[in-house]
Amino acid sequence: DVKVTQSSRYLVKRTGEKVFLECVQDMDHENMFWYRQDPGLGLRLIYFSYDVKMKEKGDIPEGYSVSREKKERFSLILESASTNQTSMYLCASSLAGGQSYEQYFGPGTRLTVT
Amino acid sequence: DAKTTQPTSMDCAEGRAANLPCNHSTISGNEYVYWYRQIHSQGPQYIIHGLKNNETNEMASLIITEDRKSSTLILPHATLRDTAVYYCIALEYGNKLVFGAGTILRVKS
Repeated sequence: DVKVTQSSRYLVKRTGEKVFLECVQDMDHENMFWYRQDPGLGLRLIYFSYDVKMKEKGDIPEGYSVSREKKERFSLILESASTNQTSMYLCASSLAGGQSYEQYFGPGTRLTVT
Repeated sequence: DAKTTQPTSMDCAEGRAANLPCNHSTISGNEYVYWYRQIHSQGPQYIIHGLKNNETNEMASLIITEDRKSSTLILPHATLRDTAVYYCIALEYGNKLVFGAGTILRVKS
């Protein structure tokens, strides 16, 4: 079974803090994704990566950055957390090409910024 | 990508087949139909996808009408653990995966 793990299920941070969310997958997938999910807004793509050290902006990259130094690990960084970044953050991975839409998601990190 | 329309919610008795409909009347020839589900407090889970032919895997079956304007996801023997939001997505390769509102399926004992 594909396993995607995220470093924390729940996280509380203060406004202005730098926040790191870590994601690890164990299936040698090329693609990795970061989404946020908010009530009424569905899933929105923040960033994705199709290879080590490669990244592409999604729909809402502002206020976020990412890092992919190893194939299995994809980190999301909130440079200076703000209250409007309170959300559920979901990491996903997939194979490349036509299988890229069979995405395997982690359990999510519920981040609260106070 | 084509817009999909799903019922807001459905109920199903435990052990019975759950048939979840999806309308995608404007689907183009290059668009696939994908199904995901999201159980409460978990990340979405890929279920199945298809283009023209019916598909079956260990989780579900996908029936696509001949004109491709609608499809049905079938969970053959629903259990309480199948209670979730089910998303039907019409998607052309090269575009992003976009989740709509989905159907809330409640499986009841």
